[in-house]
Amino acid sequence: AQSVAQPEDQVNVAEGNPLTVKCTYSVSGNPYLFWYVQYPNRGLQFLLKYITGDNLVKGSYGFEAEFNKSQTSFHLKKPSALVSDSALYFCAVRSFQKLVFGTGTRLLVSP
Amino acid sequence: GAVVSQHPSRVICKSGTSVKIECRSLDFQATTMFWYRQFPKQSLMLMATSNEGSKATYEQGVEKDKFLINHASLTLSTLTVTSAHPEDSSFYICSAIFDRANYGYTFGSGTRLTVV
Repeated sequence: AQSVAQPEDQVNVAEGNPLTVKCTYSVSGNPYLFWYVQYPNRGLQFLLKYITGDNLVKGSYGFEAEFNKSQTSFHLKKPSALVSDSALYFCAVRSFQKLVFGTGTRLLVSP
Repeated sequence: GAVVSQHPSRVICKSGTSVKIECRSLDFQATTMFWYRQFPKQSLMLMATSNEGSKATYEQGVEKDKFLINHASLTLSTLTVTSAHPEDSSFYICSAIFDRANYGYTFGSGTRLTVV
């Protein structure tokens, strides 16, 4: 079965510093990977996806993710964190036509 | 573009009553919709996949008689929580495929259900 794992429940970073939110995947076949962000009591907003092509994927709001096949990872990154980036981040993998989500990582950016 | 409107955003109901949640695609035809449930501080659990004009496919462990899903048109899917109990209190989110060729998914803004 397709699955993703987010090993960190929470990531703390100071504003202006780079941030990384980790995701590893386990799939049979080619992985179709996604990152979403959720603000309190809201739905999910799409950040980026990897389907094929360049391993470095650029997405919304300055986020990017690096697909690493050898390490089966798809970590989300941003060069300079903003306080407004504080939210819940989900990694997901496409399984048949549905998305299977990781457990989520809460990002807290301190001023 | 690719907006899914979900209503209501928040609902409180009495134990034993039924509640209907609607998800409507505003600018595309949603042949496939998904319903997720999210517990506090937890991930999204897929409840069911609904395809327009056919019966929903429920995930293992989800009571189909309790969580009725109807997808009667290309723009509307509904989730009805029947005979709701406090343990059904949760955050429910719908999702739809808006671009099948490019794996485009969009999400509703969620419904906070509280059963008292």
